[in-house]
Amino acid sequence: SAVISQKPSRDICQRGTSLTIQCQVDSQVTMMFWYRQQPGQSLTLIATANQGSEATYESGFVIDKFPISRPNLTFSTLTVSNMSPEDSSIYLCSIWTGLNTEAFFGQGTRLTVV
Amino acid sequence: GESVGLHLPTLSVQEGDNSIINCAYSNSASDYFIWYKQESGKGPQFIIDIRSNMDKRQGQRVTVLLNKTVKHLSLQIAATQPGDSAVYFCALVTGSQGNLIFGKGTKLSVKP
Repeated sequence: SAVISQKPSRDICQRGTSLTIQCQVDSQVTMMFWYRQQPGQSLTLIATANQGSEATYESGFVIDKFPISRPNLTFSTLTVSNMSPEDSSIYLCSIWTGLNTEAFFGQGTRLTVV
Repeated sequence: GESVGLHLPTLSVQEGDNSIINCAYSNSASDYFIWYKQESGKGPQFIIDIRSNMDKRQGQRVTVLLNKTVKHLSLQIAATQPGDSAVYFCALVTGSQGNLIFGKGTKLSVKP
């Protein structure tokens, strides 16, 4: 298994500001993903972030709102831009190491927008 | 499109009893299914997985059953313990890229 570290673990932010969440993995991985988990809800995929290419966003998520960087095989960032209270969620970084293997998750970043 | 759902949003069991958490999925070409456990303040943690060419797989105190005919997945926890209290999600892998579709989640509460 891999160790995935997310920073910050939680934050309270003012509306209209932006927050960048970092995801660091202790090994090189090709597939990295960002998920959102709204309060009391399940996880929804925001985008797939593969090194060397632009992130692929799921329906309902756009690059201007959730820009993603993937500078190397062990690191990625997700920015939540121009935040509103509706963005209050847990944001989770995930990696996948191959077919028929489980995805591993970071501990999440709990974001509260006030 | 794909959807994954759960029959019960909450489940309360007595310590020592067996727990069964269910999950239904819609028409899908997915051949890989995963159960995750999420404790408060933590990310999802892998419990057990199953491939579509199997109908049952056992781990330590956990068993996953897959019924492809009715598109149903279940997680059985034997001798449920207080440490099993968490939210449980089923997930299916779509395509070859590793992105997951998650079910709504079932909150398991274990009464001492």
